[in-house]
Amino acid sequence: LAKTTQPISMDSYEGQEVNITCSHNNIATNDYITWYQQFPSQGPRFIIQGYKTKVTNEVASLFIPADRKSSTLSLPRVSLSDTAVYYCLVVGYTNAGKSTFGDGTTLTVKP
Amino acid sequence: EAGVAQSPRYKIIEKRQSVAFWCNPISGHATLYWYQQILGQGPKLLIQFQNNGVVDDSQLPKDRFSAERLKGVDSTLKIQPAKLEDSAVYLCASSPFGGAPEQYFGPGTRLTVT
Repeated sequence: LAKTTQPISMDSYEGQEVNITCSHNNIATNDYITWYQQFPSQGPRFIIQGYKTKVTNEVASLFIPADRKSSTLSLPRVSLSDTAVYYCLVVGYTNAGKSTFGDGTTLTVKP
Repeated sequence: EAGVAQSPRYKIIEKRQSVAFWCNPISGHATLYWYQQILGQGPKLLIQFQNNGVVDDSQLPKDRFSAERLKGVDSTLKIQPAKLEDSAVYLCASSPFGGAPEQYFGPGTRLTVT
């Protein structure tokens, strides 16, 4: 079971790039890294997933070093609406395994 | 594509009463999860189904919580009897089998036990 560690909180300003790092030292060979965004009174929303190197989609990039013991979610040019809690979750490829969320990172974007 | 549906959205009960939550996953998704999220914490996995079989229920308090997934589609989570510490949001999520491991969450049910 891959335990994850993230900073509790981060502050940023509109228009800046934000990088949130997650540590997952005991990640298994078949595990994928996923990131979620959660607003108050809503369920988490899937943002991005990756196995190694770099993945980019329309909302974020995910950087994973060769040892895969950490990952960094990069949000380009954040806006006030990006204020939310961000979670990384390590999960087995077939989902047939335990998945545990940490307490996430509360990102506050200021004007 | 319709998302994960949950009902009710809110429920208030007294301790020692029973309560049930319902979840309808995204069509075709074989894996279904129930999570408990206490205010200020990340979601805690209670039970994971693969079709109608249980993959993991190691964190489900089995003396009071039960869950079933009939015919591998809808699922029901029950608490009987409820305790004050069960006050939380109960989230249901689903994901396709054999595909990427992302999970799609419903809006959750906020339970208050008084």
